[in-house]
Amino acid sequence: DIQMTQSPSTLSASVGDRVTITCRASQSISTWLAWYQQKPGKAPKLLIYKASSLESGVPSRFSGSGSGTEFTLTISSLQPDDFATYYCQQYNSYPGTFGQGTKLEIK
Amino acid sequence: QLQLQESGPGLVKPSETLSLTCTVSGGSISSSHYYWGWIRQPPGKGLEWIGSIYYSGSTYYNPSLKSRVTIFVDTSMNQFSLRLSSVTAADTAVYYCARPRSSSRAADAFDIWGQGTMVTVSS
Repeated sequence: DIQMTQSPSTLSASVGDRVTITCRASQSISTWLAWYQQKPGKAPKLLIYKASSLESGVPSRFSGSGSGTEFTLTISSLQPDDFATYYCQQYNSYPGTFGQGTKLEIK
Repeated sequence: QLQLQESGPGLVKPSETLSLTCTVSGGSISSSHYYWGWIRQPPGKGLEWIGSIYYSGSTYYNPSLKSRVTIFVDTSMNQFSLRLSSVTAADTAVYYCARPRSSSRAADAFDIWGQGTMVTVSS
């Protein structure tokens, strides 16, 4: 299985901050990477697919980049609604593995 | 618009079989050629992909669960189902069904999710 490692595990930030979350794959996955946002008690919401493509309806303050084994999710200016847990997922091959998650907290 | 809804018992005894169904509304499983998926999330933990099934019945399973998992599709009912045998407390989780974003790949990101159903394994 391809292992996905996210960092940091927890991130404290303020409204208006620019934040970056990193996801590393144990082997190359080209750009077959997705980012999800999850709030307590809710299903994950797809934000980014194919490493850098913004899902329809997702605010443009979210952006993704990377290829191969290293990827980033950037939120350009944090809004109150953005405090949640974020997961990366590789879908280069089965099983599609997820990172352990990054909890974005209010500072 | 397409919606997915999980259903099944919320409590299963250890060593028994967990059975869940995902009902698809607002679209047809048989005419939309996706690999429909099951994903789970233990309380306070991360996400784990369980397996996926094509409308024709072709399946992919997570190797870590493969010996205990069966996923099957009932196109007449517009449903796909999960069975997980010999459950233990480690199988306690919220179980989600989901649809991948694209029908052109066997593995893809999931853009439509059910609300999830909590299954507790306990005697």
